Amino acid sequence: GQQLNQSPQSMFIQEGEDVSMNCTSSSIFNTWLWYKQDPGEGPVLLIALYKAGELTSNGRLTAQFGITRKDSFLNISASIPSDVGIYFCAGAGTYKYIFGTGTRLKVLA
Amino acid sequence: DAMVIQNPRYQVTQFGKPVTLSCSQTLNHNVMYWYQQKSSQAPKLLFHYYDKDFNNEADTPDNFQSRRPNTSFCFLDIRSPGLGDAAMYLCATSRDGGGFTEAFFGQGTRLTVV
Repeated sequence: GQQLNQSPQSMFIQEGEDVSMNCTSSSIFNTWLWYKQDPGEGPVLLIALYKAGELTSNGRLTAQFGITRKDSFLNISASIPSDVGIYFCAGAGTYKYIFGTGTRLKVLA
Repeated sequence: DAMVIQNPRYQVTQFGKPVTLSCSQTLNHNVMYWYQQKSSQAPKLLFHYYDKDFNNEADTPDNFQSRRPNTSFCFLDIRSPGLGDAAMYLCATSRDGGGFTEAFFGQGTRLTVV
């Protein structure tokens, strides 16, 4: 099935550092979503983006909807140990949400 | 408060023995989805319901079926589970399916086939 290209695949960072990850698609989406998934749990919605060029923040998280509608990025500022997990981008299609390949984040205290 | 609730959280079933997973929602959303997620992979859509209208993804095996008796509940039936069906099964809902709204996920059911 269709997947979005997400990078990096994984990253180790020091506590307090900023993190950036991005997601690209060959298709246009009207809505981009960012989720965090902890081990053994379902994805939890972090940020939803509805307009091309939109920049939205949620606490230490900032995400942008690319102007071409084919990409998005997520930034996490001043990372803390509980930021560890897998981050997925998702594009909202008609009656489906297409997920990126995920970015596994590990934060070193 | 949990808005999409899946039961059970963990299910062990025998090879070939039918199993049913359940999902309920308090959001009154029109669309409910079932996704399969294997170890550290992206969730893969199996099918969705818009109200009572069922739509199967083209590559979803016939072994997987679903029922939605009312707005709040949706079930995933696996008729003859194989070892390859061991995975996390995720239920999700969205207000509509036009691609302009967010989806909310349940906590998932981890299925083990022995």
